[in-house]
Amino acid sequence: DGGITQSPKYLFRKEGQNVTLSCEQNLNHDAMYWYRQDPGQGLRLIYYSQIVNDFQKGDIAEGYSVSREKKESFPLTVTSAQKNPTAFYLCASMGQFGTDTQYFGPGTRLTVL
Amino acid sequence: AQKITQTQPGMFVQEKEAVTLDCTYDTSDQSYGLFWYKQPSSGEMIFLIYQGSYDEQNATEGRYSLNFQKARKSANLVISASQLGDSAMYFCAMREGDNRLAFGKGNQVVVIP
Repeated sequence: DGGITQSPKYLFRKEGQNVTLSCEQNLNHDAMYWYRQDPGQGLRLIYYSQIVNDFQKGDIAEGYSVSREKKESFPLTVTSAQKNPTAFYLCASMGQFGTDTQYFGPGTRLTVL
Repeated sequence: AQKITQTQPGMFVQEKEAVTLDCTYDTSDQSYGLFWYKQPSSGEMIFLIYQGSYDEQNATEGRYSLNFQKARKSANLVISASQLGDSAMYFCAMREGDNRLAFGKGNQVVVIP
């Protein structure tokens, strides 16, 4: 089935550690996005990529890094520089041609211990 | 400045009744898109309905319809014949020229039998 997968579903990290969240899609979409959601809040854009080997910062990129080496994959690294990383992280993708809708993965809940 | 405003408090709705969720937006673009997503307690974001700024007809998708009032910059979601499974958070979002989405803070809906 076509879709977006994120792993792991739950992730625990000690302070000072980097951690990488996985996002894979088999929808043949060009654009991919990472969002952060805090309790009772909407989604805020961290990074996005409209094409392989290119990505742009969103509204809250500090303390995060991404790569886009393959069309299907857009991993997000939460670095130790991110001061408050405990949140729910959602990945999305969107086709570039004739498709306006972003479709989301199931999310990863990151907790810093 | 906030681009999407959803200010209603949590709503209780009787099963089989209709419910309207308010959304106002702010943009100076002529071309934009408006989206509604549903987020159940599992956390996934489910796309419900889309309205383009040039669409003259209000969008409908099954029990969901979008009451688009361009001059007022509002894009309210109407859910008809509510079901227990409609209990969730609902987010309004807007896409502008760069294909980024700006999200509101959401409306909580609880359907009671």
